[in-house]
Parts: sequence; C-alpha cells; structure tokens
Amino acid sequence: EPEVTQTPSHQVTQMGQEVILRCVPISNHLYFYWYRQILGQKVEFLVSFYNNEISEKSEIFDDQFSVERPDGSNFTLKIRSTKLEDSAMYFCASSEEGGGDQPQHFGDGTRLSIL
Amino acid sequence: AQKITQTQPGMFVQEKEAVTLDCTYDTSDPSYGLFWYKQPSSGEMIFLIYQGSYDQQNATEGRYSLNFQKARKSANLVISASQLGDSAMYFCAIGRGSTLGRLYFGRGTQLTVWP
Repeated sequence: EPEVTQTPSHQVTQMGQEVILRCVPISNHLYFYWYRQILGQKVEFLVSFYNNEISEKSEIFDDQFSVERPDGSNFTLKIRSTKLEDSAMYFCASSEEGGGDQPQHFGDGTRLSIL
Repeated sequence: AQKITQTQPGMFVQEKEAVTLDCTYDTSDPSYGLFWYKQPSSGEMIFLIYQGSYDQQNATEGRYSLNFQKARKSANLVISASQLGDSAMYFCAIGRGSTLGRLYFGRGTQLTVWP
C-alpha cells in the first residue's frame, strides 16, 4: 500500500540552526500538509500546499517556517532559526483530493529535538 | 471555528471485548469529514476510518466502526474484539468540506487493552 515517507526519523539540532524536514507524499496525491505535535499534546495544523503554493497556514506558521516542493516527489518544511519550543514531532500528510472532508494519510513523523 | 472534544483521557478494555471511544464535534459547515487516527507509542499516525457528513450509513473498516449521530454531533469509534496491539492513543479529527485540508484534532484517548 502506498505510504507517505518522512526523513529523517529523528533530528537533533542546536538552537538557532536551520533545519529541513523532508517528505515524499503518495505519488498520485496533489495536496500536502504539515502538522506538528508537541510531546503530550494534540496534533496542530501548520500549513497546506497545493499547486506549488500555500493554501492555508496557521498562526504557528510564522516567518521562520517555509515549505517547498523542489521536484516532482519531495515536499520540505524548513525552519530557519530553530527555537527550543520548536521541539516536536512533525508530520507530513497528503491527500488525493483537497476538501477538508477528504482523508489525509500521514507519514511516520520526524522527531525534532532542539538543544 | 471547528472543535473536537474527546472527554476520555484513558480507557481500559479486556482483550476480545468491544470498546467505544467518544468524540463530539462542533462546526457550522454543512459539509465536513470526521476521522479517527491511531498513534502507537512509536509515534506514527495511522488513518483508521472516515465518515462524511452526508453519508447515510455509518462507516466500517474491519474491526472499526464509526457510530455517527449527526443530530448529537457525535462520532464515536467502536473497536470490536479488542487486541493487545490496539493499545495506543486514538485521535478524532474534523475537516471542513468548504476549505482545503486543514484538520482539527482532539486531545486523544489513551486505550489500554489488557489480557
């Protein structure tokens, strides 16, 4: 069964450093998302992406964050200057169709630890 | 705004018994989707089941069924014949049909299945 793939599974970074989290969505999916989950808390939406542009972003997704689809298969989340509070599990998700009533399939997540 | 409420922080069930995990929601959109995801201790998010707001019948996927009561705004997950591997955190989520993709998650219910 096709799946969303995320790399790395765990990233440890010094505060202030840039980090790039990578995702390969399911191949026939056109809509892509990033979510994060701070330890012990609920999953929070960061951004949705379609047709090479951001469709929606949450208040969490400030100027330190950016997303890119650099080629036909990868979808990346960049955090420019990491802060301690960026430590969380980051999930990439994709869906075949774009409505909020369509199922999204999640990757296994990248655990980001900021020191 | 969309809101999901999961009132059971923890549930316990004996192996082979059925268990119901509660979820209530709030939305003003006529079109929406309700989702359940499973998160084992390893951290990945596994899509379980989906119910569209216009679906007449309750969704079922193997041992999972969704008890959808639209008037009560509830979307409870029923797991039949529980297995030890069902022990995990379970999240209910809602997405609005009128917008692209953003899912709103509840705080989750930790299910423990004991032998």
